[in-house]
Amino acid sequence: DTGVSQDPRHKITKRGQNVTFRCDPISEHNRLYWYRQTLGQGPEFLTYFQNEAQLEKSRLLSDRFSAERPKGSFSTLEIQRTEQGDSAMYLCASSLRQGIPEAFFGQGTRLTVV
Amino acid sequence: KQEVTQIPAALSVPEGENLVLNCSFTDSAIYNLQWFRQDPGKGLTSLLLIQSSQREQTSGRLNASLDKSSGRSTLYIAASQPGDSATYLCAVKRNNDMRFGAGTRLTVKP
Repeated sequence: DTGVSQDPRHKITKRGQNVTFRCDPISEHNRLYWYRQTLGQGPEFLTYFQNEAQLEKSRLLSDRFSAERPKGSFSTLEIQRTEQGDSAMYLCASSLRQGIPEAFFGQGTRLTVV
Repeated sequence: KQEVTQIPAALSVPEGENLVLNCSFTDSAIYNLQWFRQDPGKGLTSLLLIQSSQREQTSGRLNASLDKSSGRSTLYIAASQPGDSATYLCAVKRNNDMRFGAGTRLTVKP
């Protein structure tokens, strides 16, 4: 499968625990995005990487959230001290910087904080 | 701040009908507009991308148009099928992020 891959697909955690999600973009894509989607809403932008550089962060990304993309390949999104309000679908997307900038999304990680 | 609105929020049609989904945005200075399909509990599947210099794109039974000056895009689905049932999202891109509408939930009845 050469699409965007996210792991895990589902995560249930207790409030206060830390969680980490992984995203593997399409191999030649140098742009990587994280979005969050709650029920009945469109995805909301969280952060953006070009290669290994994190170039933009939304105000939605509180200090409990951190994202990395070492070596410009896969990316991780960590949420510390999870809260019930963090329950959502976390989506990763990738695209090319040059050429056709079509964004491709992964299947998402559904986080439930209990 | 870019606002994206999709109308209607939900639509139910009998199989075989042609239909139009609408997307409007407040800031016309966009790089591109992309239409996605989302099945329940799943990620987004890209349908069509329209660059800012283009007026429309077609793929099979789908046709998307873009009128930047009026801040509007439409997604036309011809000869709808039950398998088209899903939520359709439009997203406009400016700078490094895409701004999404809340989607139109489409149900095509057999």
